[in-house]
Amino acid sequence: KAGVTQTPRYLIKTRGQQVTLSCSPISGHRSVSWYQQTPGQGLQFLFEYFSETQRNKGNFPGRFSGRQFSNSRSEMNVSTLELGDSALYLCASTPLLGGYEQYFGPGTRLTVT
Amino acid sequence: EDKVVQSPLSLVVHEGDTVTLNCSYEVTNFRSLLWYKQEKKAPTFLFMLTSSGIEKKSGRLSSILDKKELFSILNITATQTGDSAVYLCAAVGSSNTGKLIFGQGTTLQVKP
Repeated sequence: KAGVTQTPRYLIKTRGQQVTLSCSPISGHRSVSWYQQTPGQGLQFLFEYFSETQRNKGNFPGRFSGRQFSNSRSEMNVSTLELGDSALYLCASTPLLGGYEQYFGPGTRLTVT
Repeated sequence: EDKVVQSPLSLVVHEGDTVTLNCSYEVTNFRSLLWYKQEKKAPTFLFMLTSSGIEKKSGRLSSILDKKELFSILNITATQTGDSAVYLCAAVGSSNTGKLIFGQGTTLQVKP
């Protein structure tokens, strides 16, 4: 079974631009969570989607948003990029609603200049 | 505020040594604790612990949870250079099952 895939793997953007990252969960997995990983803050939860609905949201500004499609694929969007948004963005999928094991994709490395 | 704290933050050992990594947590309505290994890529799942006192094992790795004292340990015996990685623990609370609360991670370096 294929793992979680994320595209693109690397991205360089300029301050003020916006970016969209994509995540395809493991086949059959319906819950997708997004995390931001930085050296200073570690892994921090952004949001979780299940059946196209956002169920949980972390403490990030409204510039960070996401959505999930009917095939469980998910996208996250960051608008008005800031230098501090440079990070590794990881998505993870879980097979069942309420399940705890999350399987991570390889991440998208975003650099904001 | 929910939090997970790992110790030590970094560790250097030689091949063949045994290491113990610690993870303490304060999470509202705690449900489960997970361990991940992260090399220069995505975290890979190691263990999920839900019940206190039941050891989980996978090869040279083992882990146990103490829900009374609110901590977990990850043991690695007969370490190898391939065990060099960041080890992350994460906790889950019942009201946020899609949200893992991660510790800072323990960076383990195993020297030949």
